[in-house]
Amino acid sequence: GIQVEQSPPDLILQEGANSTLRCNFSDSVNNLQWFHQNPWGQLINLFYIPSGTKQNGRLSATTVATERYSLLYISSSQTTDSGVYFCAVGLTQGGSEKLVFGKGMKLTVNP
Amino acid sequence: SAVISQKPSRDICQRGTSLTIQCQVDSQVTMMFWYRQQPGQSLTLIATANQGSEATYESGFVIDKFPISRPNLTFSTLTVSNMSPEDSSIYLCSVRRGGGWNTEAFFGQGTRLTVV
Repeated sequence: GIQVEQSPPDLILQEGANSTLRCNFSDSVNNLQWFHQNPWGQLINLFYIPSGTKQNGRLSATTVATERYSLLYISSSQTTDSGVYFCAVGLTQGGSEKLVFGKGMKLTVNP
Repeated sequence: SAVISQKPSRDICQRGTSLTIQCQVDSQVTMMFWYRQQPGQSLTLIATANQGSEATYESGFVIDKFPISRPNLTFSTLTVSNMSPEDSSIYLCSVRRGGGWNTEAFFGQGTRLTVV
């Protein structure tokens, strides 16, 4: 099956620093999403980005589908950015669309 | 987007008992999805629930352990049966918005289950 790899697995930052999270996937996909899981376990939608670049405040994302990777940029990080970041790819399997998650990246932002 | 209400948000249960998790969506959807997230792990799809038909389970998950109901197009339940400590996880329901290949997934707030 498809492999979805996220890097780095963990990251510790000082408040105000910038970071880049990477998601590589091993096969063609229909779409790609980035999520932030807060300490209470809730998954927050960050970006739906099958291709191209999107920006939302301090966050932006770029997906290069032909090269099978996506990047999530966090600028001027804040302590509230702490949590686990997941990328997930949508693909067709057995006639239906499946969502396959990477293992996640734990971000800790220290004050 | 989608508004998905999931309850309970957390529970502590005795081994051998069962817990039913409810998921309510703000508008009609064809399919609802149930995921499990074991401690420190990623999300794994348990099953897909279509209204009016049996749920489709992924490899490693069986109906006797995780029975699912889908009585209408805005509601579903997942039951975790005969629980053991290994069932301690976050359980999440999900729906998709969009059409064709362009469907965006949204998640409920999750149910954090601890089995003692």
